[in-house]
Amino acid sequence: EIVLTQSPGTLSLSPGERATLSCRASQSVSSSYLAWYQQRPGQAPRLLIYGASSRATGIPDRFSGSGSGTDFTLTISRLEPEDFAVYYCQQYGSSPETFGQGTKVEIK
Amino acid sequence: QVQLQESGPGLVKPSETLSLTCTVSGGSISSYYWSWIRQPPGKGLEWIGFIYYSGSTNYNPSLKSRVTISRDTSKNQFSLRLSSVTAADAAVYYCARLYYYAKIDSYGMDVWGQGTTVTVSS
Repeated sequence: EIVLTQSPGTLSLSPGERATLSCRASQSVSSSYLAWYQQRPGQAPRLLIYGASSRATGIPDRFSGSGSGTDFTLTISRLEPEDFAVYYCQQYGSSPETFGQGTKVEIK
Repeated sequence: QVQLQESGPGLVKPSETLSLTCTVSGGSISSYYWSWIRQPPGKGLEWIGFIYYSGSTNYNPSLKSRVTISRDTSKNQFSLRLSSVTAADAAVYYCARLYYYAKIDSYGMDVWGQGTTVTVSS
């Protein structure tokens, strides 16, 4: 099973700042099979990024994904109030599909 | 616009079987993969498994001995059964569509239900 480790656990930032979230895999993951999700309190997760760097439908361009192999990054260029949430990475390259433990982006 | 809605008992007794249904509207389940994911209170996401439109399934090995995912194309629904539940199975259960992005050979769960809370208690 591929273990995904996200860091930091919590990121305290102000609106307008840049957020950089990391997802590290215990073994190599095809970049095609790495996705990022956002989960706001009380809501279902929402797909942000698939294929490591492709934005899902309707996702603003302030969200971007990058990385390959075992190291992947989600960047939010300028935080908007609605971006304060928990973010999860997920890999589909190896069964079972696994999620990272999440990074909480909170208002500083 | 495809929408998913989970339904089923919110309370299940220990050792009994949890049964949930996901109703798909605005699209057919005769395409794509259809997944179940759960989230224990205050914790992260756990993939349970999926069913392909063909009927083939894939389960998380940690739950495989207790899980069955099935589909009813006539009702445009797919279902989850989890047997011998314990307190550790208490969670919000989500159904989701796993979409295949053919241009780049990639996947993403692009449509989710709102989730349903299952409590395990006698």
